[in-house]
Amino acid sequence: NAGVTQTPKFRILKIGQSMTLQCTQDMNHNYMYWYRQDPGMGLKLIYYSVGAGITDKGEVPNGYNVSRSTTEDFPLRLELAAPSQTSVYFCASSYDAVFATDTQYFGPGTRLTVL
Amino acid sequence: QKEVEQNSGPLSVPEGAIASLNCTYSDRVSQSFFWYRQYSGKSPELIMSIYSNGDKEDGRFTAQLNKASQYVSLLIRDSQPSDSATYLCAVIDTNAGKSTFGDGTTLTVKP
Repeated sequence: NAGVTQTPKFRILKIGQSMTLQCTQDMNHNYMYWYRQDPGMGLKLIYYSVGAGITDKGEVPNGYNVSRSTTEDFPLRLELAAPSQTSVYFCASSYDAVFATDTQYFGPGTRLTVL
Repeated sequence: QKEVEQNSGPLSVPEGAIASLNCTYSDRVSQSFFWYRQYSGKSPELIMSIYSNGDKEDGRFTAQLNKASQYVSLLIRDSQPSDSATYLCAVIDTNAGKSTFGDGTTLTVKP
């Protein structure tokens, strides 16, 4: 049981390049989340998904896209990378969003630098 | 006004003291409340969850929730140097499944 895994751990992009951050969970969780964390700040929700085929925007979705074709995977796509997207990206999952089943479990993060 | 606000840090307490961390939230539909601990360079890990008004105790940690005042706090008793970390408050709108985190409070426990 690996929990939530993210790849890559580190990445440097040039302005205008694109990439996909991978996130996989093996806990059969319905809910999955993508956050970014800038230095000294909290987590900002980018996108979230309440189940396969269903995604919704969070607080800071501009410049990102997601898809959820399976329960296990929730990739985050960056199109036309910009320096403002330099951040640490965390993926998280939870079984549900109701009492006692809404604890989010986090992956190790991806540190992205856009130059 | 931010949706979730935490007391600005950093907070420094001596070893053995009580550390008090506070959080207010603006959205009354928020129904689940969490405290996460994050060590530098690591991912957040759950400390406590609380859903009902009142206190919830787990070892040295006590979470307090007051929905009328839209306030949630975390008390750490007998603080240890290993408690030095950033503490994140999170609220969830369980109807929408949407979560919101505060900016965190950095705690340093001095030996």
